Amino acid sequence: TQLLEQSPQFLSIQEGENLTVYCNSSSVFSSLQWYRQEPGEGPVLLVTVVTGGEVKKLKRLTFQFGDARKDSSLHITAAQPGDTGLYLCAGPYFGNEKLTFGTGTRLTIIP
Amino acid sequence: DAGVTQSPTHLIKTRGQQVTLRCSPKSGHDTVSWYQQALGQGPQFIFQYYEEEERQRGNFPDRFSGHQFPNYSSELNVNALLLGDSALYLCASSTRTGSPYEQYFGPGTRLTVT
Repeated sequence: TQLLEQSPQFLSIQEGENLTVYCNSSSVFSSLQWYRQEPGEGPVLLVTVVTGGEVKKLKRLTFQFGDARKDSSLHITAAQPGDTGLYLCAGPYFGNEKLTFGTGTRLTIIP
Repeated sequence: DAGVTQSPTHLIKTRGQQVTLRCSPKSGHDTVSWYQQALGQGPQFIFQYYEEEERQRGNFPDRFSGHQFPNYSSELNVNALLLGDSALYLCASSTRTGSPYEQYFGPGTRLTVT
């Protein structure tokens, strides 16, 4: 069974703090996407990483793809209330085009 | 540029009934995927349509079926509804000429089965 595990499952921190969310699997990804979902809405694509070891930055968000393409992390610097939401990693495994989603990290930033 | 649209927004059905959900993909996209998202969980892949054919299917029973039209829009049909089918149903579109794994989601249809 292919499984994408995210940690932590829940995270509540004060505004201005830094945080890291992890996405791990025992299988290899051909690419990996990170999405953010707000209540009552569909997931919104944040970034796609393709190359092992790749690092991408989106303002205060830094995404890293593991060298072996089995894991990824999302680091947020100086978190703001607008960062609140459900963060989902997702990826297609090699040889399979369907997108498998992680278990999600629900992030709450306290003003 | 219109994004992915879905209808209806909310739906309440009774056990045993049938339901049809609709999706229009983002302009320029030719592939539609459907997902089921239970409360507090990540989306689960149902199936994907491209060129009016089902190309990939997740672990969902035959009660779940779909269709894609020549204009790339799509429908998801669920027969003999069960209480456990209550969820947010998400449609996502993508294009095979770009990155097929970068999917753009609609706002979803919230289905409640009573």
